[in-house]
Amino acid sequence: AQSVSQHNHHVILSEAASLELGCNYSYGGTVNLFWYVQYPGQHLQLLLKYFSGDPLVKGIKGFEAEFIKSKFSFNLRKPSVQWSDTAEYFCAALYNFNKFYFGSGTKLNVKP
Amino acid sequence: DAGVIQSPRHEVTEMGQEVTLRCKPISGHDYLFWYRQTMMRGLELLIYFNNNVPIDDSGMPEDRFSAKMPNASFSTLKIQPSEPRDSAVYFCASSLWGALGNTEAFFGQGTRLTVV
Repeated sequence: AQSVSQHNHHVILSEAASLELGCNYSYGGTVNLFWYVQYPGQHLQLLLKYFSGDPLVKGIKGFEAEFIKSKFSFNLRKPSVQWSDTAEYFCAALYNFNKFYFGSGTKLNVKP
Repeated sequence: DAGVIQSPRHEVTEMGQEVTLRCKPISGHDYLFWYRQTMMRGLELLIYFNNNVPIDDSGMPEDRFSAKMPNASFSTLKIQPSEPRDSAVYFCASSLWGALGNTEAFFGQGTRLTVV
């Protein structure tokens, strides 16, 4: 079955620490990948997306993600987090241009 | 464009009552999704439409839930009768199909439903 897995449910970091959030998808066909962020009390907003071309995707606010097809992964990274990055992060996959599947989310808490 | 608009933002209702959530997608978008977010289950896809036609409603929890999209600019999600376990934040999202999947889902602000 098509699915998206996020293995880190809750991450706590200090400011300036580096971040890497894992995301794996299950489908071997055509897939487009996304990372969304949800700040407390707000709706989901797009951070970055991959649909073709360079597997290293750069998004807003210094985030980037790398699509590794052989590992079915699309991990999110940021070299130095800030307190304002405290939020919940969702990985999502669009299979065959069809419906969006979301992971269970990772809550990031950045301590000042 | 004002984005995806959902109403109401908050709804508190008594068990057994009918609840209707509303969504106005971004103009021109051809896909509309309804999601439910809870602490226990995260973000669940309930149903999605393409060009106003329901494509997959396998995520709708039970017959108490129904969704309609009478035209390209409006959709409703109805729960009748409502139960306390339906309490959640319900998000509507819309997207426009793009070549090679160059698309994204735009989310509304959500409706926080509390059933007491």
